Amino acid sequence: QVQLQESGPGLVKPSETLSLTCTVSGDSINRYYWSWIRQPPGKALEWIGFIYYSGNTYYNPSLKSRVTISKDTSKNQFSLKLKSVTAADTAIYYCARDKGGQNWFDTWGQGTLVTVSS
Amino acid sequence: SYELTQPPSVSVSPGQTASILCSGDKLGEKYASWYQQKPGQSPVLIIYQNTKRPSGIPERFSGSKSGRTATLTISVTQTMDEADYYCQSWDGSTAIFGGGTKLTVL
Repeated sequence: QVQLQESGPGLVKPSETLSLTCTVSGDSINRYYWSWIRQPPGKALEWIGFIYYSGNTYYNPSLKSRVTISKDTSKNQFSLKLKSVTAADTAIYYCARDKGGQNWFDTWGQGTLVTVSS
Repeated sequence: SYELTQPPSVSVSPGQTASILCSGDKLGEKYASWYQQKPGQSPVLIIYQNTKRPSGIPERFSGSKSGRTATLTISVTQTMDEADYYCQSWDGSTAIFGGGTKLTVL
């Protein structure tokens, strides 16, 4: 059974870089598409971007200038970096799997809350 | 930018049928998916490719699509179905989520 687990600092200072990692068990990140999705407290879900089996990436145009998604095949992990954060980036960050690309997110991590504050 | 529009809230009595609509200009060309999210939990996929249910999702959840509107229907609604529901589709290579609908069962 595939499981995804997010990890990283829960508090980031304004203007700094948010860094999170998603560890995948029960599947290989060399297959499928792996996304980051966030949810500000009390608000809707927002897709950040994905990396897929080839290592290629695609980002939400609204965040593209600040986002980098990468993967470490040896650890079966993929990571998110979001630079120049502000309070508006405070959210629960989820990683999720899409088996087909432009399909649906069938498996989600438990999410991790990241607060941007000095 | 492309948007998916959902009603902010829907109320239903236990045992009745609830319908949640999701509208978007490009839904006619793309599949819709639906997710259920209970407080403090991650979203769970309940409908994909407009009408299909993943294994383990109760039959009372069904989906349909007509033109630019997708519909999630919950028949014989139970109190455990009280949650936020999100539709999702794609605009090119960008995943789009609706604003979410809070389903209240009372």
